[in-house]
This record gives sequence, structure tokens and C-alpha cells, in this order.
Amino acid sequence: SQQGEEDPQALSIQEGENATMNCSYKTSINNLQWYRQNSGRGLVHLILIRSNEREKHSGRLRVTLDTSKKSSSLLITASRAADTASYFCATAPSQGGSEKLVFGKGTKLTVNP
Amino acid sequence: SAVISQKPSRDICQRGTSLTIQCQVDSQVTMMFWYRQQPGQSLTLIATANQGSEATYESGFVIDKFPISRPNLTFSTLTVSNMSPEDSSIYLCSVGIAGPTDTQYFGPGTRLTVL
Repeated sequence: SQQGEEDPQALSIQEGENATMNCSYKTSINNLQWYRQNSGRGLVHLILIRSNEREKHSGRLRVTLDTSKKSSSLLITASRAADTASYFCATAPSQGGSEKLVFGKGTKLTVNP
Repeated sequence: SAVISQKPSRDICQRGTSLTIQCQVDSQVTMMFWYRQQPGQSLTLIATANQGSEATYESGFVIDKFPISRPNLTFSTLTVSNMSPEDSSIYLCSVGIAGPTDTQYFGPGTRLTVL
């Protein structure tokens, strides 16, 4: 079953604006990851944040994690047309012996030039 | 990191036929995963394929429908058997380098359309 739920489902912004996507999950996690998918192709790993971390940065990406609210956000600053893609969060559950990533439904981001 | 290739990149198949998808990795890896992504949906794990053992299938997926081979540490195949239009999806393989719940590296996917 899917654990991560992203919102919004779709987001359209102008180039140069910031884009914020959110992910909520239901069970305890070891880590949470964000992936990008361009036009139905393979997924590209963006960033991993562990359950004991609250914030991570990578270039124009900023990820936050609030384990008390079971939520994460991905911020893309100064967006570019090339950022147009679908973004998925994936959680690694920490309980029940599960060793598998569980992907959310994704946010489709469109950056208009 | 790992570089993964898949063949074919896309195919259009007739109902009732089978298609075998190949996944090749540029380094030896223990864990390989096969996912299905139905149109407009997220990824659903089909099975985990570890070399030297039978594949482990997720709920809702069975070996007769999705037989998997893992002959060595750099290669795996997924067969979609007796296809129906509901099998139209993107099929992706991925590998876990540090562990199944750490970063996974994905192939480019195989876009399958069943008529």
C-alpha cells in the first residue's frame, strides 16, 4: 500500500519562482527520499533525509522533515523550465521488518518559461 | 552510483502474448527491484530479485504472470505473460547499492502498450 501522499497533485509556476511540494506519510520511517521523473522515464534520486535530520540542502533543493507531523516538504528555488517533471517522495518504513521503499502518488510540476 | 539500461525501451504487443524485459547494470549488485507504473500513477513494487534465490513477489503479483530471472549480479529479466490491456504500463528496474531502503538507482523504463 502507498504510504506517501504528495500535495499538490499538480503545480504550475513561472520560471524563477519557487516550487514547494509536500509529502505526508503514516508510519514511522528510517528515511524519506525524493525522486524526479521526466516524462514517464526512469526516476532520478534527488535527496535522502534520515529520520534524525530536520533539513537538508542540495543546490537549489531544500528538504525538510517533521517526524512529529509525519510530513516532508521539497522546495525548489529559482525554478527553471528544465525542472518540469513529476516528483515523488518515497519512505523507508522502520517497523514491521519492511525493507522496501514505498512511493507516494507524486506531484506533477510544470515550470513555464 | 550505478548505470542501468533496459531493453526494449518501448513495445506495442498483442493481447495474449508475452514480453521479456531486460535490465543490465554496470556493476555487481545484490538487490534488484522491478516496479510497475500504470498510466498517471505512482510506482508499485512487483518483486525483489536477488541473485541465487527465488524472486520475492509483492501482494497482488504472482510468478506465473511475472516470471523473473536473475542469472548473475549484473542482469535480470522480467517477463509479462499472457498480456492484457491492463498490463499497459511503464516497467522499471532499480538497484539498491547500500541497502533496499537506501538510495535506489533506476533504469530508464520500458513503456509497454498492449492492444
